[in-house]
Amino acid sequence: DQQVKQNSPSLSVQEGRISILNCDYTNSMFDYFLWYKKYPAEGPTFLISISSIKDKNEDGRFTVFLNKSAKHLSLHIVPSQPGDSAVYFCAASADGSGNTGKLIFGQGTTLQVKP
Amino acid sequence: EAEVAQSPRYKITEKSQAVAFWCDPISGHATLYWYRQILGQGPELLVQFQDESVVDDSQLPKDRFSAERLKGVDSTLKIQPAELGDSAMYLCASSHFWTGKTEAFFGQGTRLTVV
Repeated sequence: DQQVKQNSPSLSVQEGRISILNCDYTNSMFDYFLWYKKYPAEGPTFLISISSIKDKNEDGRFTVFLNKSAKHLSLHIVPSQPGDSAVYFCAASADGSGNTGKLIFGQGTTLQVKP
Repeated sequence: EAEVAQSPRYKITEKSQAVAFWCDPISGHATLYWYRQILGQGPELLVQFQDESVVDDSQLPKDRFSAERLKGVDSTLKIQPAELGDSAMYLCASSHFWTGKTEAFFGQGTRLTVV
């Protein structure tokens, strides 16, 4: 049962344009969402997060949007740069009774930014 | 900048042999995770520690995998005997809290190849 889904395995955009990476989840108990970036042969690096009490969080070129009713979040990168080329993972966690706060990851989306 | 340290970076072992991975989390981080990432998939949690106690090992194949964090600091993940299907990236991560509302920081991982 895939609780966090990234349905687009890959995305290619031109340098300077916007990159939009999407993520859907099924567990309504999730209340914290994160995006990680991963280069080959390295561990994931934290990028940005959002709590379920918000619908938007911005950090420089990166903005995450959360639509709780649709159980959907997206990561916007503006403007995209060639160094952004990597695999992006969406992750979610649940707090509260019976939950351990572990991160559940999506399958990842490979972003290629062309010069 | 504090980092999660993992060793070795790469390991090649023959099937049926034993293999061990080591992780030293960021100082002061009470929560430690071991994740496994198969190529083309997202990381999947194997075991989660809060200090020296296991809080989630539901996805750990306990017939061959074991993990310990004896003093609540560094941790070892062992596989015995290794199988071909164990070839993957093994990632260690740590976080300050286990509430779920904080990011986990990952090490560079150990790439295991079982031949």
